[in-house]
Amino acid sequence: ETGVTQSPTHLIKTRGQQVTLRCSSQSGHNTVSWYQQALGQGPQFIFQYYREEENGRGNFPPRFSGLQFPNYSSELNVNALELDDSALYLCASSVFLGEQFFGPGTRLTVL
Amino acid sequence: DQQVKQNSPSLSVQEGRISILNCDYTNSMFDYFLWYKKYPAEGPTFLISISSIKDKNEDGRFTVFLNKSAKHLSLHIVPSQPGDSAVYFCAASGGSGGSNYKLTFGKGTLLTVNP
Repeated sequence: ETGVTQSPTHLIKTRGQQVTLRCSSQSGHNTVSWYQQALGQGPQFIFQYYREEENGRGNFPPRFSGLQFPNYSSELNVNALELDDSALYLCASSVFLGEQFFGPGTRLTVL
Repeated sequence: DQQVKQNSPSLSVQEGRISILNCDYTNSMFDYFLWYKKYPAEGPTFLISISSIKDKNEDGRFTVFLNKSAKHLSLHIVPSQPGDSAVYFCAASGGSGGSNYKLTFGKGTLLTVNP
C-alpha cells in the first residue's frame, strides 16, 4: 500500500510568482487536507477537499486555492507569493471521518 | 490567538524513564485530541488520540490523559526509548469531523531520550 506522496520535495520561488504543489493520497482515501508549517510553528490548516469539493477552509487568503481530482489526488496553488509563504506544506489524506495520514511535505522557499 | 499550546519547547529524559508531554487548549468546542510524532524530513505520524468523553486512553507504552475541566492533556511514554526522540505535536479538532476534519496544532515539543 502506497502512502501519501508529495511533489516536489523542495522548491525555490521569487516573490510575486505562482506555485503549484501536488499530493497523491493513500489508496482508498477520498479526503485531502493541506497544512502550512512555518519554521518553529505547528502545522496550520489551509483547507480540506472531499470528493472534489472544498470541505472547509482555514484563515488563509484567496490566493491560496486548491483542487481535488477524480482519483482523489490534489493540488495546492499559491498566487502572488510573499516572503511569509516560505514554509513546509503538508498534505494529509484520509477516509471521511477517519485518521489523517500525512505526506513528507514540500519545502517552499520564497526569495 | 493560539488555541492549542505546548509550553515546553523541549524535554530531555533518560532512557527507561517516563516522558511527560503537556498540552493546554482554550477552545471549549474541541472534542477530539490527538498526538503526532514528527521526525526530520518526514510528515507527522499519528500516535494516539482521545475523545472528550474519555479521560484516559492507552496504547502500549503511550498513554494520553485528558482533564476537560482544566482544558489540559498530557502524553506519557513509559519506558522512554532513544527511538522516541522526535518532535511531538498536540492537535485538536471540534464539531462533527472527529479526527478527520480541521486539526489545530500546538507548536510542538522536541523530546530527546538519552541512552
